[in-house]
Amino acid sequence: TQLLEQSPQFLSIQEGENLTVYCNSSSVFSSLQWYRQEPGEGPVLLVTVVTGGEVKKLKRLTFQFGDARKDSSLHITAAQPGDTGLYLCAGVITGANNLFFGTGTRLTVIP
Amino acid sequence: DADVTQTPRNRITKTGKRIMLECSQTKGHDRMYWYRQDPGLGLRLIYYSFDVKDINKGEISDGYSVSRQAQAKFSLSLESAIPNQTALYFCATSEWTGSEQFFGPGTRLTVL
Repeated sequence: TQLLEQSPQFLSIQEGENLTVYCNSSSVFSSLQWYRQEPGEGPVLLVTVVTGGEVKKLKRLTFQFGDARKDSSLHITAAQPGDTGLYLCAGVITGANNLFFGTGTRLTVIP
Repeated sequence: DADVTQTPRNRITKTGKRIMLECSQTKGHDRMYWYRQDPGLGLRLIYYSFDVKDINKGEISDGYSVSRQAQAKFSLSLESAIPNQTALYFCATSEWTGSEQFFGPGTRLTVL
């Protein structure tokens, strides 16, 4: 059983559409990160959220940390082909020494 | 030049062989990590090190060992490779537990 479950696992949409990716857990996290990974490369950090209810925006990407700090979402507005990739959430459980990664959502944006 | 490098990038080996994957970083970070990536399972932590004298097991350490030769170098060994160790392996570094992790480009390992 994975500590962080992401949904959907796969998502294929047309350019210009909106989408939301979810990251859920039964554990409480002191902070949560979102990474994007492109083929042949390692993951690259997009954002870190640390406060329950926090919302951060990165151009067309909006990240939200749940009030109880057990879940997070990533919303992309007007998706573009350059958004294609594997999106990974990762969290630090309060008092733990390492980061736990989610199962990943593979997004394909079709031109 | 890349901040985190991994060698080799690709490796095909046979069951029972000993394999070493190497990682070097120029970030100056004390913390280094080895992850395994399988489809549908995200990244799972194999081992992590907070400094040269500190090595810790992660979620899936069985069948693996590591060596932290210097602050900048962290290697992963498979003493006797088996087919279910076929995966993409990533090395990463960070300043502290909750800070950004910087990943290498990965090593694709196939065990026949």
